[in-house]
Amino acid sequence: AQKVTQAQTEISVVEKEDVTLDCVYETRDTTYYLFWYKQPPSGELVFLIRRNSFDEQNEISGRYSWNFQKSTSSFNFTITASQVVDSAVYFCALIAGGFKTIFGAGTRLFVKA
Amino acid sequence: GAGVSQSPSNKVTEKGKDVELRCDPISGHTALYWYRQSLGQGLEFLIYFQGNSAPDKSGLPSDRFSAERTGGSVSTLTIQRTQQEDSAVYLCASSSTSGRARGTDTQYFGPGTRLTVL
Repeated sequence: AQKVTQAQTEISVVEKEDVTLDCVYETRDTTYYLFWYKQPPSGELVFLIRRNSFDEQNEISGRYSWNFQKSTSSFNFTITASQVVDSAVYFCALIAGGFKTIFGAGTRLFVKA
Repeated sequence: GAGVSQSPSNKVTEKGKDVELRCDPISGHTALYWYRQSLGQGLEFLIYFQGNSAPDKSGLPSDRFSAERTGGSVSTLTIQRTQQEDSAVYLCASSSTSGRARGTDTQYFGPGTRLTVL
């Protein structure tokens, strides 16, 4: 069975702090895809990143970085120097063995000015 | 280009009524998905359309839920005899397979329809 766990329900930080959102996944498939989405207060999910299981290279995009570790089945997301506009719910998701996307429960991030 | 659009943005209905929710995917996207997001919850998969193939309806919670996709583009999600527990945000997403393994492409989401059943 596939599963995505985002153990952090809510995180609150002060602007300019770094914050890491955890994501742990479960799958028996050797080929799978991992995603992060951002859902701001407006409600629309915004795609952030897609990684496949064969590419463990970490990725950095501006203030965002992702750490993919197959050994621990984790795909963590770090925001450096957080800003108020980063306040949102962040979802980690998995596609394995087919098309159905399994979403984690989400982590609500509050960034205070 | 235009993203995924959904209508209406908000729908309030009375228990027992039928509702139709519409999704216009990104032009050229062959795959279309419907999800449900209840208050404070994650996303629950409902149904998946891929090209002309038979849709995968394995996520539909009951036979009161149905969906169709006409001409490989616009999709309508219908909920019959609505119940209060159907209240949620219904999200539509589309993706382009672009030759990759089916269903693994990035999904682009619409703004959702917030359904309230009184």
